[in-house]
Amino acid sequence: EADIYQTPRYLVIGTGKKITLECSQTMGHDKMYWYQQDPGMELHLIHYSYGVNSTEKGDLSSESTVSRIRTEHFPLTLESARPSHTSQYLCASSEKGGFRRIDTQYFGPGTRLTVL
Amino acid sequence: KNQVEQSPQSLIILEGKNCTLQCNYTVSPFSNLRWYKQDTGRGPVSLTIMTFSENTKSNGRYTATLDADTKQSSLHITASQLSDSASYICVVSDRGSTLGRLYFGRGTQLTVWP
Repeated sequence: EADIYQTPRYLVIGTGKKITLECSQTMGHDKMYWYQQDPGMELHLIHYSYGVNSTEKGDLSSESTVSRIRTEHFPLTLESARPSHTSQYLCASSEKGGFRRIDTQYFGPGTRLTVL
Repeated sequence: KNQVEQSPQSLIILEGKNCTLQCNYTVSPFSNLRWYKQDTGRGPVSLTIMTFSENTKSNGRYTATLDADTKQSSLHITASQLSDSASYICVVSDRGSTLGRLYFGRGTQLTVWP
């Protein structure tokens, strides 16, 4: 069982609200990721981080922002939620590895977000 | 375009039966292929991971195969149990970037009936 946590697990909010999805891991992993997943669809990378003070946008355009002030913490923020943001958000982490090293990503349980 | 295609999209089997899930990919240059199990409302959990030189990997009742020449993989589940009901996701990683980009399939939704 991976030591990676996400809160809240479920969130229902109104349009225009600011929200922050929390993600924490206790494995000391350098790399962390945020994915968005709609039912029956593949995971899409929206943000990632190589370490403290490092954040990059992923493949899927997202209006969310992230920060990485501490190794174990990688929160995702939506300044003004819209119904199009309704989705499942999965956080993951992996060890820092070299070019030939295979690093397994460990996923959190996810946050199911519904914007009304 | 790098892609990962899985089949079937969904599958229903009876408890105790075997089944095989398929994954075809076009990711290049290839680094490794993983199978994940995702229970409803949970995050994916890694089952197996195979590199270019490996053509089979087992994890209990799960056996994954890889044919890097034809770019195909399969996940075989033997003596299925009710707890095997989940989505099984094929994930392929390339080695063309430091990040080790992951390409996800849409998954096969497996339902095991008693």
